[in-house]
Amino acid sequence: GENVEQHPSTLSVQEGDSAVIKCTYSDSASNYFPWYKQELGKGPQLIIDIRSNVGEKKDQRIAVTLNKTAKHFSLHITETQPEDSAVYFCAASMSSGGNTPLVFGKGTRLSVIA
Amino acid sequence: DTAVSQTPKYLVTQMGNDKSIKCEQNLGHDTMYWYKQDSKKFLKIMFSYNNKELIINETVPNRFSPKSPDKAHLNLHINSLELGDSAVYFCASQGRNGYTFGSGTRLTVV
Repeated sequence: GENVEQHPSTLSVQEGDSAVIKCTYSDSASNYFPWYKQELGKGPQLIIDIRSNVGEKKDQRIAVTLNKTAKHFSLHITETQPEDSAVYFCAASMSSGGNTPLVFGKGTRLSVIA
Repeated sequence: DTAVSQTPKYLVTQMGNDKSIKCEQNLGHDTMYWYKQDSKKFLKIMFSYNNKELIINETVPNRFSPKSPDKAHLNLHINSLELGDSAVYFCASQGRNGYTFGSGTRLTVV
């Protein structure tokens, strides 16, 4: 089955700096890679996703890159703000649609220091 | 209007008790899941249901029994609770654009 590795487990950055979180996956059949943000006491929320037919996707300060050959994908947050502090999860599955479970990485706790 | 709602949000109970967690989604999705998040924040799939039918059961003790009365509801019943069952349990539903999670149920077994 799919295995997703995520690094680093914790990350501290100064406000305004960039943060990068990296993930690798094992199953070459995976083609959907979402990223979730989990704030304290809440459920994970989708912040951005990428499909295997795309190498990069950007949404304001957040971008995700995908290298299918190397089986790794990364989350980039620019101009970090204190409200970006949270636990971030990468995930992989064969589809975004129904009945295809996500396999999650172990999470990265991001702290943005004001 | 909450898309995926779980109740209760907090549950404290003694070892050996039986408890249930309820989940409802109003998104019209066919697929729902239960995930367990341990103290290290690792999210591990427990069960998957598609249109009321069990699809995935990931080596979960049979003390855990999911029930889906209709495709909008997926409840989780746990018998003979153990200390190691303490965790946050998340319900999620899945549509074309991925997962929507509930806000979680923090279960503490004492």
